[in-house]
Amino acid sequence: TQLLEQSPQFLSIQEGENLTVYCNSSSVFSSLQWYRQEPGEGPVLLVTVVTGGEVKKLKRLTFQFGDARKDSSLHITAAQPGDTGLYLCAGAPNDYKLSFGAGTTVTVRA
Amino acid sequence: EPEVTQTPSHQVTQMGQEVILRCVPISNHLYFYWYRQILGQKVEFLVSFYNNEISEKSEIFDDQFSVERPDGSNFTLKIRSTKLEDSAMYFCASSETYRGNNYGYTFGSGTRLTVV
Repeated sequence: TQLLEQSPQFLSIQEGENLTVYCNSSSVFSSLQWYRQEPGEGPVLLVTVVTGGEVKKLKRLTFQFGDARKDSSLHITAAQPGDTGLYLCAGAPNDYKLSFGAGTTVTVRA
Repeated sequence: EPEVTQTPSHQVTQMGQEVILRCVPISNHLYFYWYRQILGQKVEFLVSFYNNEISEKSEIFDDQFSVERPDGSNFTLKIRSTKLEDSAMYFCASSETYRGNNYGYTFGSGTRLTVV
C-alpha cells in the first residue's frame, strides 16, 4: 500500500476551469509538501503546509492541510496551459525519509 | 535562486560497469538525498546523508550503492556494478532542515542513467 495516495491519477481540463487534486494517508504528518515536476526535470517545491487546517495560497493555487494532518488538497482556479504538469505530494510521517505520492498528471487544454 | 547542480545530465553505461553520479548541493544546506525515478513510476527514496554519514537508506540502496561527500561541495552516488534495472532518472536533493520541514527539498534536474 502507498503511504500517500493521490487522486485522481490523471486530470484533463479546459483552460479557465477549476481543478482539485487530493493527497490522502492513514498516517499523521508533521508537514506535507507539494511539488510540481516537468518532464525530464526534478520536482520543484510549491509549498509546505505545517499546521492542521492551514490554507496557503500561491497565486491561483490554494493548498489545504487537513485538520488531522493526514491529508491535503491542491486547488487551481482558472487553470492555464502553463499549469500543465505532474503534481506530487510528499511527506515524512515518523522517520527520516520524505516519501512521494505517485502524482497527478494535470493537462490544461487551450 | 540557489540551485542543486547534477552532472552528467545523461549517462549511458554497459551493464556491469561502475558509474558515479555527481551533485553539488546548495552551499548552506546540511542534509543531502538521492532519489530515483524509473520511467513512468513514482519518485523513490534511496538515501539521506547528514554530518558525513548516511542517516537512512531504503531497501533499494543495497551494497552496490554508496554515497560520499569527498569535499566541501560535492555529493556523489556510486553504483558499482550496474544492472539493466538501474536505468532511471537519479535526483539529488538538499535541504536546510531535517526532513525539509518548512522549507522543503531543492532538487537537481537529474541524471538520466541508461544501462545497456
